[in-house]
Amino acid sequence: QSALTQPPSASGSPGQSVTLSCTGTSSDVGDYNYVSWYQQHPGKAPKLLIYEVTKRPSGVPDRFSGSKSGSTASLTVSGLQAEDEADYYCSSYVGSSNWAFGGGTKLTVL
Amino acid sequence: QVSLRESGPALVKPTQTLTLTCTFSGLSLTASGVSVSWIRQPPGKALEWLARIDWDDDKDYTTSLKTRLTISKDTSKNQVVLTMTNLDPVDSGTYYCARQGADYGDAFDIWGQGTTVTVSS
Repeated sequence: QSALTQPPSASGSPGQSVTLSCTGTSSDVGDYNYVSWYQQHPGKAPKLLIYEVTKRPSGVPDRFSGSKSGSTASLTVSGLQAEDEADYYCSSYVGSSNWAFGGGTKLTVL
Repeated sequence: QVSLRESGPALVKPTQTLTLTCTFSGLSLTASGVSVSWIRQPPGKALEWLARIDWDDDKDYTTSLKTRLTISKDTSKNQVVLTMTNLDPVDSGTYYCARQGADYGDAFDIWGQGTTVTVSS
């Protein structure tokens, strides 16, 4: 069982926006701004999309944005495109020099 | 350009010890703020963080597997090695190494392509 909770699936039509959630506790997501998001296509390694809750590495489209409220972090994908169909994982520092991932959300572009 | 590549046996028997090597280029594990972590993913399941080694040789392990894991580095070879003892079929999956950098809030910013391990007799 993952330390961080993500809905198993989400979907949206091309051009729409979709928001994926990642729920932790006051001891991890709620206590640290070390939340990151990853995109993983089938058979591929994960790719960093968002770090420190809201920051985007260079090369990541600004269609991807991150936020946090209390113990829940969110990833919003705007202007959905077919290539956005993938699994999305959140990660957070959880204290005691440990890191955790969420269970992942499979995003389907209808 | 930073790159990491995992290597190790594809098939291991239950109760045996697994040794995985992460060979990297374009980064220095002696530079302040740089770390390398191991992360695994069982088939069809979520990512799981396993262990991390820092530039100053500080080591951290996931609590649930701490007694079975050892992480080490060889800076002369640009390698990080992970050993896992007493393997079980549930340890099967893809094992990734990834860089964690202070510049990215310790996010896993560069990943290897992964190496697949099957635990079976």
